[in-house]
Amino acid sequence: DGGITQSPKYLFRKEGQNVTLSCEQNLNHDAMYWYRQDPGQGLRLIYYSQIVNDFQKGDIAEGYSVSREKKESFPLTVTSAQKNPTAFYLCASSIGLQGKETQYFGPGTRLLVL
Amino acid sequence: AQTVTQSQPEMSVQEAETVTLSCTYDTSESDYYLFWYKQPPSRQMILVIRQEAYKQQNATENRFSVNFQKAAKSFSLKISDSQLGDAAMYFCAYRTGGADGLTFGKGTHLIIQP
Repeated sequence: DGGITQSPKYLFRKEGQNVTLSCEQNLNHDAMYWYRQDPGQGLRLIYYSQIVNDFQKGDIAEGYSVSREKKESFPLTVTSAQKNPTAFYLCASSIGLQGKETQYFGPGTRLLVL
Repeated sequence: AQTVTQSQPEMSVQEAETVTLSCTYDTSESDYYLFWYKQPPSRQMILVIRQEAYKQQNATENRFSVNFQKAAKSFSLKISDSQLGDAAMYFCAYRTGGADGLTFGKGTHLIIQP
């Protein structure tokens, strides 16, 4: 089955700790994205990547970092600089980065702070 | 910056009836795309329907259709013959023709009364 997988489903972070959220896709999509969803809010763009070894900041990139070493993988690291990391994180991908391309989403990771 | 506004935090409809969810957006772009996504309790984001701004014809997908009013910057979603499985959060989203992510509204919680 082609799709997007995210792991873990739930993640707990201690104060001052960096944590990494995994996102893998086997759709052969070039573009990948990370969004954050807070309660009662829509999704907000954190980072996106059009191609391997290239990525761009979205609207709320502070306190986050990403890498794109492989086409199918786009991990997101929530650093200790992110003071309010508790949220639901969604990864998405699309064939290309053009506006016409539909984005498909993974099942999400819920991050909680201990 | 582009903004997307969903003015109805919650809507309720009887099963088998028709409901319309509202969305307005603000942009100075001429090339853009509009989307409706559904987020059921599982929190998986599912594409419902999309509309290209250059197309005058309103998009339809089975029981789902849109009323796209470009001059008014309005993009409403009509769900006909509502079913219990339609109960979810519905998000309106906008994207330019260029290389970036989606801009989401805050969502409308749709309740289906049996």
